Amino acid sequence: GDSVTQMEGPVTLSEEAFLTINCTYTATGYPSLFWYVQYPGEGLQLLLKATKADDKGSNKGFEATYRKETTSFHLEKGSVQVSDSAVYFCAIQGAQKLVFGQGTRLTINP
Amino acid sequence: NAGVTQTPKFQVLKTGQSMTLQCAQDMNHEYMSWYRQDPGMGLRLIHYSVGAGITDQGEVPNGYNVSRSTTEDFPLRLLSAAPSQTSVYFCASRRQGNSYEQYFGPGTRLTVT
Repeated sequence: GDSVTQMEGPVTLSEEAFLTINCTYTATGYPSLFWYVQYPGEGLQLLLKATKADDKGSNKGFEATYRKETTSFHLEKGSVQVSDSAVYFCAIQGAQKLVFGQGTRLTINP
Repeated sequence: NAGVTQTPKFQVLKTGQSMTLQCAQDMNHEYMSWYRQDPGMGLRLIHYSVGAGITDQGEVPNGYNVSRSTTEDFPLRLLSAAPSQTSVYFCASRRQGNSYEQYFGPGTRLTVT
């Protein structure tokens, strides 16, 4: 079945550092790919998405590119802020199901 | 729009008790689903529905029951609570179609003692 493997956390960075969170997937067909973010005590909210190969999703300075040849959807941000501290989930949308990675907890120190 | 709402926010049950977690959405979404979130395991799909009267099992359906009598509501029933069901439960909805994002409720934190 479909599966997602995410970079293990926790990840701790200093403010203004460069961020990469790796995500690879296995799936049949052509899934849509998502990054969701969960701030403390809240539900998940969409950060960005890509629906076909070579699409780049972007939002709030975060970017991820749908790479079909490497089955990857790595999340990047050039300069993180304290307010980016949260748990980040990579997910793939198959026929009827959204499958999540295990989540990566990110902490940004001032 | 209120989006996706869930009640209660917190609940403590004793082993063997039953209860229903409520979920409602006001976006006229066809697709609704329930997930549980456990530390280090991401979110796992319990049950989902593609429309009123249609439900199907997800990855971890045992011990849970659902029904979908209206487009708006999708309650999750715990038939006989067990400590292994201690978790945070999220309801979500989206338009039908794989490219649409899911909208999540705020979650219900359930503890079974």
